[in-house]
Amino acid sequence: DIQMTQSPSTLSASVGDRVTITCRASQSISSWLAWYQQKPGKAPKLLISKASSLESGVPSRFSGSGSGTEFTLTIGCLQPDDFATYYCQQYKSYPYTFGQGTKLEIK
Amino acid sequence: QVQLQESGPGLVKPSQTLSLTCTVSGGSISSGPYYWGWIRQHPGKGLEWIGYIYYSGSTYYNPSLQSRVTISKDTSKNQFSLRLSSVTAADTAVYYCARRMPVAGLFDYWGQGTLVTVSS
Repeated sequence: DIQMTQSPSTLSASVGDRVTITCRASQSISSWLAWYQQKPGKAPKLLISKASSLESGVPSRFSGSGSGTEFTLTIGCLQPDDFATYYCQQYKSYPYTFGQGTKLEIK
Repeated sequence: QVQLQESGPGLVKPSQTLSLTCTVSGGSISSGPYYWGWIRQHPGKGLEWIGYIYYSGSTYYNPSLQSRVTISKDTSKNQFSLRLSSVTAADTAVYYCARRMPVAGLFDYWGQGTLVTVSS
């Protein structure tokens, strides 16, 4: 199985900050990486596909980059609604696997 | 707008079979080309892909659960189901049903999730 490792596990930031979350794959997954946002008690929401393609309706302050084994999710100017947990997911090969999550909390 | 809703018992005894159903509205599970699947999240933990069923009926399972999992569909009711046998406390989790996109292995629509606790 391809292991996905996110860092940091927890990130404290303030409204207006720019933050970056990293996701590393245990082997190359090309650009077959997605990012999801999950709020407490809710299902994950797809934000980004193919490492950098923003889903329809997702604010432009979200961006993704990377290929191979290292990827980043950047939120350009944090808004109150952005405080949540973020997961990466590889879909290069079965079984699809997710990172352990990064909890973005208010400083 | 596609909507998914999980249903089933919230409490299952150890060694028994967990059974959940996902009812889909706003789209037909038999019209293709989507996959319909299950993902679970252990309390306070990350996400684990369980498997899915293609509109044609083909199934794909996580090898770690394959021996215990069956996903099936009832097109007359526009539902698909999960059965997980021989459950233990380690199967306690929130179970989500979701739609997988046709080309990429991404999940674009999710149910709200249902907590299943395995306990005697």
